[in-house]
Amino acid sequence: EIVMTQSPATLSVSPGERATLSCRASQSIGIKLAWYLQKPGQAPRLLIYDAFTRAAGVPARFSGSGSGTDFTLTISSLQSEDFAVYYCQEYNDWPPTTFGPGTRLDIK
Amino acid sequence: QVQLQESGPGLVKPSETLSLRCTVSGGSMGSASYYWAWVRQPPGKGLEWIGSIYFNGKTFYNPSLKSRVIITGDMSRNQFSLRVRSVIVADTAVYFCARHVVGDYAADWLDPWGQGTPVTVSS
Repeated sequence: EIVMTQSPATLSVSPGERATLSCRASQSIGIKLAWYLQKPGQAPRLLIYDAFTRAAGVPARFSGSGSGTDFTLTISSLQSEDFAVYYCQEYNDWPPTTFGPGTRLDIK
Repeated sequence: QVQLQESGPGLVKPSETLSLRCTVSGGSMGSASYYWAWVRQPPGKGLEWIGSIYFNGKTFYNPSLKSRVIITGDMSRNQFSLRVRSVIVADTAVYFCARHVVGDYAADWLDPWGQGTPVTVSS
């Protein structure tokens, strides 16, 4: 089973600044990676799939990059609604599919 | 647009069976472009994929739960269900259903998700 790690566990950033979140796979997964945002009490929402393709309706300030084992989600200019927990998910060798432990993005 | 809604008891006793249903609206479960999945999230923790079902009834499960889980589907009613037998306290979680998008040759990302339903295992 592929193990996903995310760093940092918590990231504090001021509104308007850039946030960079990392996700690493225990073995190469090509570009088979998705990113989700989850706010308290809500379901996860798909942001990015296939490592860098934005889902429908996702603002352009969200961008994904990377391939193989190392991936990055960048939020170019943080808005108040972006403060949440972010999860990555690999689907290279489904089943199973696995999620990272999450990065909490807090307001600085 | 497709929407999913979970339903079922919020409290289950240890050793009993947890049963949940997901109702899909705004689209058909009969498409070959999607699986239909269950994912859970223990309190304060991350996400765990439980399993997925295809329109033809084929299922795939997380190996860690496979011995206790069954997912069934009623495509005519646009519903699919989850059963977890012999539950323990560690099965306490918010349970989400989601559409599992088929990519090149397998199920890939999950979108959209239901709002989730909390289930507590306690005597």
